[in-house]
Amino acid sequence: QVQLVQSGAEVKKPGASVKVSCKASGYTFTSYGISWVRQAPGQGLEWMGWISAYNGNTNYAQKLQGRVTMTTDTSTSTAYMELRSLRSDDTAVYYCARLPMVQGVIIFYMDVWGKGTTVTVSS
Amino acid sequence: SYELTQPPSVSVSPGQTARITCSGDALPKQYAYWYQQKPGQAPVLVIYKDSERPSGIPERFSGSSSGTTVTLTISGVQAEDEADYYCQSADSSGTHVVFGGGTKLTVL
Repeated sequence: QVQLVQSGAEVKKPGASVKVSCKASGYTFTSYGISWVRQAPGQGLEWMGWISAYNGNTNYAQKLQGRVTMTTDTSTSTAYMELRSLRSDDTAVYYCARLPMVQGVIIFYMDVWGKGTTVTVSS
Repeated sequence: SYELTQPPSVSVSPGQTARITCSGDALPKQYAYWYQQKPGQAPVLVIYKDSERPSGIPERFSGSSSGTTVTLTISGVQAEDEADYYCQSADSSGTHVVFGGGTKLTVL
């Protein structure tokens, strides 16, 4: 079945970086995109950006520009999200989610989600 | 930046109809999507392209659109429908994803 399996929880100090992985299975990885969404404790969903697994194109949320990088490894069907210069308000559950594509064009909704990775930023 | 506006909370009794609205200026041009999220779980897509229902989602979930407002309707609400619901769309450029603030549905 289609699933996205994310890496385990992380605890980081302010100023450090974190890299979360998202391994896809059950579908053709390069026929879809991957979006990253985070949720701070008790808060709503915040879109972080997306990457096309087809051609590597990316688009990031304005507030994270310069701190976030999304990549894919098509040989292992894995997507990665790296967030740098971590602050306490980056503490959140980070989700990866699949984005459908039609003829190479991303359709902006998320039809399959990973279970989430908790990232805690604390000194 | 572009925003989608949802009511913070909606309450209904079992068997009644719940309606959750989402407003945004770009909604006449961009599709809306709805997600259900229960505590401690990842979101689940319940409506896509304004009114389409993914396979496996009960028929009591429906979506509609009118101008700058989209509505998620849950007919015959059941206790298991108690959850947070988020609308999602894209901005007018069609490249950035936006989520509404979420609506907590309480089944009385």
